[in-house]
Amino acid sequence: RKEVEQDPGPFNVPEGATVAFNCTYSNSASQSFFWYRQDCRKEPKLLMSVYSSGNEDGRFTAQLNRASQYISLLIRDSKLSDSATYLCVVTRSYKLSFGAGTTVTVRA
Amino acid sequence: ETGVTQTPRHLVMGMTNKKSLKCEQHLGHNAMYWYKQSAKKPLELMFVYSLEERVENNSVPSRFSPECPNSSHLFLHLHTLQPEDSALYLCASSQEGTSGTYEQYFGPGTRLTVT
Repeated sequence: RKEVEQDPGPFNVPEGATVAFNCTYSNSASQSFFWYRQDCRKEPKLLMSVYSSGNEDGRFTAQLNRASQYISLLIRDSKLSDSATYLCVVTRSYKLSFGAGTTVTVRA
Repeated sequence: ETGVTQTPRHLVMGMTNKKSLKCEQHLGHNAMYWYKQSAKKPLELMFVYSLEERVENNSVPSRFSPECPNSSHLFLHLHTLQPEDSALYLCASSQEGTSGTYEQYFGPGTRLTVT
C-alpha cells in the first residue's frame, strides 16, 4: 500500500464552483500534514498546513481526520489561477511523503 | 538572492559524463533534501542532510553522490547515469526543530535529460 494516496483527477470545474478532494495516508504515526501546490513544470509550493481542528485560508479549507487517516482540501469560488496539481504531504520527523497529486482545472 | 536556488536549471548529459547539481538556500535552515520527480509519479526522497550530516539515503544508486559542505549548500554529483534517470531534481530546505512541522521550501529544480 502506498504511504500517501490521492485521486489523480482531473477535476474540471467552472469558475466560481466549489471543488473538494481527499488524500489518505497509511501510517498512523504521521505527525504533520500539508497541502502543496505544483504548477506545470514548476517546483511545489506550500499552500497550507493542516491542523487537527481544521483550518481555513481565504477560499481554501483543510481538514484532518486522524481516525480515518485522511486529509481534505476544499476550494471555494474557484479562480482560473487555481488550476494546478495539489500535492498531499504527510510527515514523520524530517521525512516527507508526497502523494502523486490531484489535478484541478478551472475553466472560464 | 532569496529562498532556495538551484543550478543549472536544465542539463543534458551523456551516459558517460560526470556533472554536478548545485543547491543553495538563503533561509537559514539546518536541513536540506534532494528529491527526484519523474513524469506522473510522486516526488521521491533521495537524500536528507540534517546539520550537515546525511541522515537518510533512500536506496539511491551509487551513481548519485550527494555532498553537503555546509548548511547552506548541497550538491548532487552525477556519473554514468542511465536514461531512466532523466527527471526533475528538486532541492528543498527546512528548519528542523521541536515543533515537528518540517515545512519544506523547494528550489526551482534542475531538469535533467540523460541521452
